[in-house]
Amino acid sequence: QQQVRQSPQSLTVWEGGTTVLTCSYEDSTFNYFPWYQQFPGEGPALLISILSVSDKKEDGRFTTFFNKREKKLSLHIIDSQPGDSATYFCAASDANYNVLYFGSGTKLTVEP
Amino acid sequence: GPKVLQIPSHQIIDMGQMVTLNCDPVSNHLYFYWYKQILGQQMEFLVNFYNGKVMEKSKLFKDQFSVERPDGSYFTLKIQPTALEDSAVYFCASSNRLGGAETLYFGSGTRLTVL
Repeated sequence: QQQVRQSPQSLTVWEGGTTVLTCSYEDSTFNYFPWYQQFPGEGPALLISILSVSDKKEDGRFTTFFNKREKKLSLHIIDSQPGDSATYFCAASDANYNVLYFGSGTKLTVEP
Repeated sequence: GPKVLQIPSHQIIDMGQMVTLNCDPVSNHLYFYWYKQILGQQMEFLVNFYNGKVMEKSKLFKDQFSVERPDGSYFTLKIQPTALEDSAVYFCASSNRLGGAETLYFGSGTRLTVL
């Protein structure tokens, strides 16, 4: 059973546009939700994260939203840039923090 | 930022052979992880390791897999014997604290090809 579901699988946006990635999860004990960015040939790197006590966290052009009732989260990238082209993974863990479950990833392409 | 180094970056071996993947974690980190990624898809948790012991492992962490970090040196993943389905990119990660709000730092991965 996949713990974290992510969509879309791939996405192309124009430079300057807004990117929206979404994830959902089943386990109500999850309370930590990071987003990781991965460039080809590299390991994932933390982009932004949110705890379940919050519904929004912003870091520059990146904002993550969390909806506890619907068990959904999203990542918004405003003013998308070609350098944002990468694969984005949402992830989730519970308070024990023993395991970080990853979504299947979204390959984002930002066209100039 | 902090770097996790993985050696080698690519390894090709014949099915049935033993392979050891090496990870040099961030120097002050105490928690270590291995993840498996097939064809750039989902990262699958294999195992986490703390204070010389496996804390938790997934069903992907088969009996042929083992991890250790002798005397604070490399954190290693050993597969013996290897199988075709072990072909994947293996990522090592480390953190100061067991997940949570603490960041997992990932290496660049070792691409393992089992022939």
